[in-house]
Amino acid sequence: GQNIDQPTEMTATEGAIVQINCTYQTSGFNGLFWYQQHAGEAPTFLSYNVLDGLEEKGRFSSFLSRSKGYSYLLLKELQMKDSASYLCAVLDSNYQLIWGAGTKLIIKP
Amino acid sequence: GAVVSQHPSWVICKSGTSVKIECRSLDFQATTMFWYRQFPKQSLMLMATSNEGSKATYEQGVEKDKFLINHASLTLSTLTVTSAHPEDSSFYICSAREGRQGIEKLFFGSGTQLSVL
Repeated sequence: GQNIDQPTEMTATEGAIVQINCTYQTSGFNGLFWYQQHAGEAPTFLSYNVLDGLEEKGRFSSFLSRSKGYSYLLLKELQMKDSASYLCAVLDSNYQLIWGAGTKLIIKP
Repeated sequence: GAVVSQHPSWVICKSGTSVKIECRSLDFQATTMFWYRQFPKQSLMLMATSNEGSKATYEQGVEKDKFLINHASLTLSTLTVTSAHPEDSSFYICSAREGRQGIEKLFFGSGTQLSVL
């Protein structure tokens, strides 16, 4: 079956760095997405990785290793507004998005 | 970036009525749109995939006669919840796929909170 695993909840301190991991097992692979979702709102696109390596975009970076079925989202210089759920999703061979359950990130002052 | 407009943002209705939710891609053509449902504290669940000009493909367990999807143009898809009941109360989100060579991106609407009394 298809499976996306990511931690349920993480806590970090304002100004610090946090890494949210995601492992996946899917039928085919056409890319991995990270989305941010604040409570009661729709997800917003953060990053898309289809090749191995690190993609940096401001305070957020995303890494992918296709051979390991592994990705992480790195958030630097954490701000209180970064408190949200972070969703990992994989586009499978049928172009269907397979979603993880999301990681709730709690930022403390 | 590309924009997907979803209306209404929230709706309250009586049990037994039908509710229509619209999803529009404003500055790109979306050959494929997806409809999701999210219950509190749960992840997004794909309900159906909508391709322009053809019948929607529903996920297992989703009643196609209850959740009517129409994708009549490259910029508009609608989801109609027919004879809504309290258990249909949920957050409904649409997304549109903008496919460019070598790049796949999904853009999401702002969501519709449906409350059925």
